[in-house]
Amino acid sequence: GAGVSQSPSNKVTEKGKDVELRCDPISGHTALYWYRQSLGQGLEFLIYFQGNSAPDKSGLPSDRFSAERTGGSVSTLTIQRTQQEDSAVYLCASSRDLAYEQYFGPGTRLTVT
Amino acid sequence: KQEVTQIPAALSVPEGENLVLNCSFTDSAIYNLQWFRQDPGKGLTSLLLIQSSQREQTSGRLNASLDKSSGRSTLYIAASQPGDSATYLCAVKGNTDKLIFGTGTRLQVFP
Repeated sequence: GAGVSQSPSNKVTEKGKDVELRCDPISGHTALYWYRQSLGQGLEFLIYFQGNSAPDKSGLPSDRFSAERTGGSVSTLTIQRTQQEDSAVYLCASSRDLAYEQYFGPGTRLTVT
Repeated sequence: KQEVTQIPAALSVPEGENLVLNCSFTDSAIYNLQWFRQDPGKGLTSLLLIQSSQREQTSGRLNASLDKSSGRSTLYIAASQPGDSATYLCAVKGNTDKLIFGTGTRLQVFP
């Protein structure tokens, strides 16, 4: 079946602009996660959703970052007033429930110039 | 605070060798541990998931073990092939539901 999909695959934006990243989880997966992988850095957790609720937003780097999920399916990660340090690959994952294996999408590579 | 370390950081071996990749974590109160591979410019592919109550999991040429009390997991790759070349990541899930990732082992298998 279809895996996790993300769009766009690549995004180049100017400093100060807002960007919106999209994640389509595997159908039926209730848990959805956002991670970030910066050049030379490890993977860092940003936020996760159980259904449409986000119990843990502790990983969001600043108040410029926000995320939402509607209908228990698609999620969007929004970065306002982008900065160069926001440049990274943003990865989305989903799982059947919190206890289960996480499946990752291909990521969105964000470059802020 | 949970910290995950992977050793070695990089490994280069000839085809056919059996390999052991190591992962250690500081807080033994984990829910599960997952091994992934990441190919350059790509997302993560899940390899094996070990629940905290399990000691090992096997899939094909891969075997992952978990010793929760000592904070260690190993990924064993039998009869390595050039197609196994990738970065291997381990990640632990605690009671906070998020995965904490190690820094990875970059593996190159040459013919």
